[in-house]
Amino acid sequence: DQQVKQNSPSLSVQEGRISILNCDYTNSMFDYFLWYKKYPAEGPTFLISISSIKDKNEDGRFTVFLNKSAKHLSLHIVPSQPGDSAVYFCAASGNNDMRFGAGTRLTVKP
Amino acid sequence: DTAVSQTPKYLVTQMGNDKSIKCEQNLGHDTMYWYKQDSKKFLKIMFSYNNKELIINETVPNRFSPKSPDKAHLNLHINSLELGDSAVYFCASSQGGRPFYNEQFFGPGTRLTVL
Repeated sequence: DQQVKQNSPSLSVQEGRISILNCDYTNSMFDYFLWYKKYPAEGPTFLISISSIKDKNEDGRFTVFLNKSAKHLSLHIVPSQPGDSAVYFCAASGNNDMRFGAGTRLTVKP
Repeated sequence: DTAVSQTPKYLVTQMGNDKSIKCEQNLGHDTMYWYKQDSKKFLKIMFSYNNKELIINETVPNRFSPKSPDKAHLNLHINSLELGDSAVYFCASSQGGRPFYNEQFFGPGTRLTVL
């Protein structure tokens, strides 16, 4: 039961452009959402989060947008940098549970 | 000065054996977690634990058990290992008493291979 979906397994963008990573969820009990970044052979690293009472949260180059009616969130990275190349996981929390998406591999080309 | 550490990093063992993976955090966090990353790369929560409550994912076999000797440690014990237990296991911790609602700090992972 894949309650959190990241439908794009990979994304490639040019350095300096915007990267947009998407995530959909099905369970309306989720009320807190997080994005993590993962490099090979390392554990995930927290990037940014958003509560369901907000529709946008911004931290430097990273912005997360939440559309509750569509059960959709997105992570915008602008400008993208080669060091952003990693796997990005979307996660959703609620009702004593947490679910992760399968991840999107972002490649930022110099 | 690693915030969340796991040992061992790699573990290769035979079916039927019992093994443990250790996890320690030096962040002073209240809650610790264990995750399994399967072959399809999904991260799945197995347990969350603070000094008040253990939350167990109902899909986790009872061959898996968390043991917490103190607030800084949450070890994972696995009995009667099966082939399907092969995966990467991640430990994590977070501040605050409400699991899943705070930033989690992850360890580097332990790759378990069951032969």
